[in-house]
Amino acid sequence: ETGVTQSPTHLIKTRGQQVTLRCSSQSGHNTVSWYQQALGQGPQFIFQYYREEENGRGNFPPRFSGLQFPNYSSELNVNALELDDSALYLCASSSGLAGYQETQYFGPGTRLLVL
Amino acid sequence: DQQVKQNSPSLSVQEGRISILNCDYTNSMFDYFLWYKKYPAEGPTFLISISSIKDKNEDGRFTVFLNKSAKHLSLHIVPSQPGDSAVYFCAAIPSSGTYKYIFGTGTRLKVLA
Repeated sequence: ETGVTQSPTHLIKTRGQQVTLRCSSQSGHNTVSWYQQALGQGPQFIFQYYREEENGRGNFPPRFSGLQFPNYSSELNVNALELDDSALYLCASSSGLAGYQETQYFGPGTRLLVL
Repeated sequence: DQQVKQNSPSLSVQEGRISILNCDYTNSMFDYFLWYKKYPAEGPTFLISISSIKDKNEDGRFTVFLNKSAKHLSLHIVPSQPGDSAVYFCAAIPSSGTYKYIFGTGTRLKVLA
């Protein structure tokens, strides 16, 4: 059983650009959640996808969007990057809707720096 | 609005002693709590959880205690080992049925050999 992988590991962008971050979930995991972890903070929930549909969203603007594909991969897209978007972005997968019965498995994250 | 708080950013403990990590929450609608451990350059890994209908859950060296009236939970690690050195996050899930984990800011534990 492979773990959750993310690419790239590091990324540098400039303000106003767009970025796509990728995540490969564990095989059989239908749910993927994305989190933003700013320096010195805990992860903050961005949104969750279940079977390719968005299933919940945190307090993030629409310029944060996502996609989930049938092959257990997913993307986080951020448009019009701002300096405050600099953070570690984590994806987490689970076999069902993450919650009481389903543990989330996190990837190592993508560290994004916006200049 | 920080609904889950870990007021100690760091903690140092001697190997073999007990480590106690604390977490406070403000939202009484939280009814499931988890602890995650994070090593550098790795994603958080699940450690232990507790439902609000319980006040204690044990798994080997790790025990989580929940005091609902005080809106406080703690993670006890006994005995502490150098490999336990990591950042520990507590997280809460509201009872509304969403799956949005709300994390604290983390406590960096250093176990000294």
